[in-house]
This record gives sequence, structure tokens and C-alpha cells, in this order.
Amino acid sequence: AQSVAQPEDQVNVAEGNPLTVKCTYSVSGNPYLFWYVQYPNRGLQFLLKYITGDNLVKGSYGFEAEFNKSQTSFHLKKPSALVSDSALYFCAVLYNFNKFYFGSGTKLNVKP
Amino acid sequence: NAGVTQTPKFQVLKTGQSMTLQCAQDMNHNSMYWYRQDPGMGLRLIYYSASEGTTDKGEVPNGYNVSRLNKREFSLRLESAAPSQTSVYFCASSELMAGGSDGYTFGSGTRLTVV
Repeated sequence: AQSVAQPEDQVNVAEGNPLTVKCTYSVSGNPYLFWYVQYPNRGLQFLLKYITGDNLVKGSYGFEAEFNKSQTSFHLKKPSALVSDSALYFCAVLYNFNKFYFGSGTKLNVKP
Repeated sequence: NAGVTQTPKFQVLKTGQSMTLQCAQDMNHNSMYWYRQDPGMGLRLIYYSASEGTTDKGEVPNGYNVSRLNKREFSLRLESAAPSQTSVYFCASSELMAGGSDGYTFGSGTRLTVV
């Protein structure tokens, strides 16, 4: 079965500090991995994806994610957090090229 | 603006009532999806339609029905609402293909409360 796990319900970080939001996955075959962000009362928005190629993927708003096959992880990172980055973040795996399985979400709080 | 439009945005139902959530997309996407979002559980797939004329069950289909009315529209129906169906419902569309997509485009959600 395809699945993703986000082990942290919440991550707190001070503005200007680096942030990491963790994701691990379990898939059969090659993983197609995505990160989405959800702001209050909004739908999810695409941030970045890993399909193949470089393990470090760069996405929107200065975010990046590192694919690690041996650790089956796809952690989301940003070198310097902004208060406006505070939101709910979802990791997802694409299955059969037509369905996503989402993690449970991690709430990111960036404090001034 | 191009995107996915969901109606209504908010709804309160009494147990046993029925209702239909509407979803329309104007991006000419083939695939459409209904998810529910519950605290601590992420998004769970209720039903999806890979293309016009087809529908398939997702992870949590019980208590729901869907209709892919045409390429643009995909509705979700609750025949007899239950408090366990209190949730936020998201519709999404996509043109997924191997490596060639940015995934889903989501609607802004329908917040449903069943009392």
C-alpha cells in the first residue's frame, strides 16, 4: 500500500531560522512525491515535486525538499523562515499517475 | 479566473437530510476528485473520476455517491447525512501524467456540519 507519514503535528520556528518539515513514504515502485501548502480557509496549493533527477528539488516561495531514497524521506526545508510561511503543510505520494495519498499534515508556526 | 469552483461554501444539515455538493472546473482537465479533510487525518479520497463517464471509489466512499455530469462538473451527494460526515470537503481536478503535472488544482472547500 502507498502511504506517507508526517511524524510532527506541529513545528515551531522563529522567523529567520531554518525550518524542516518531515515526511517519510512507503511506495511500490518509483516514488512521485509532492508537497502542498494550505492557508486558512483555502484549498491546497502545489509547492514542489520530485519525479526523478536531482535529489534536491526547489519549489515556490523559497522552499526546497530533499529526496533520500535510503531513508525513504522527502523533508521540506527553507533556509530562512518567514511569518507568512505559517500554514498547514501536506506531503503526498502520487499513485498510478492518477491518485494522491496525503499525509496527515504538519502545522508550521513561525514566530516573529 | 481559471480554477475549481465549489458550492456551497458552508452548509448545516440535520441528521438524515440529503444534499449535493457541486464542483466545476474550467481547465479542461480529465480527472476530478472529492476529498474530505478531518483534523489529524489529512485528506482522504472519497471518490474520483479519471475521465468523463467513469467514477471509482476511494478510501472512504461509504455514505456518498457521485456523478460526473460532463467533463467540467463532478458532484458529491450525501443521501442521508450523519454527524460523522461533518468535515471540510475539497474538490480537485488534474491532468496527471508521469512527471508532466503539478498535481491537483483544488477548490476552496465546503465546510459541512451535520447536527
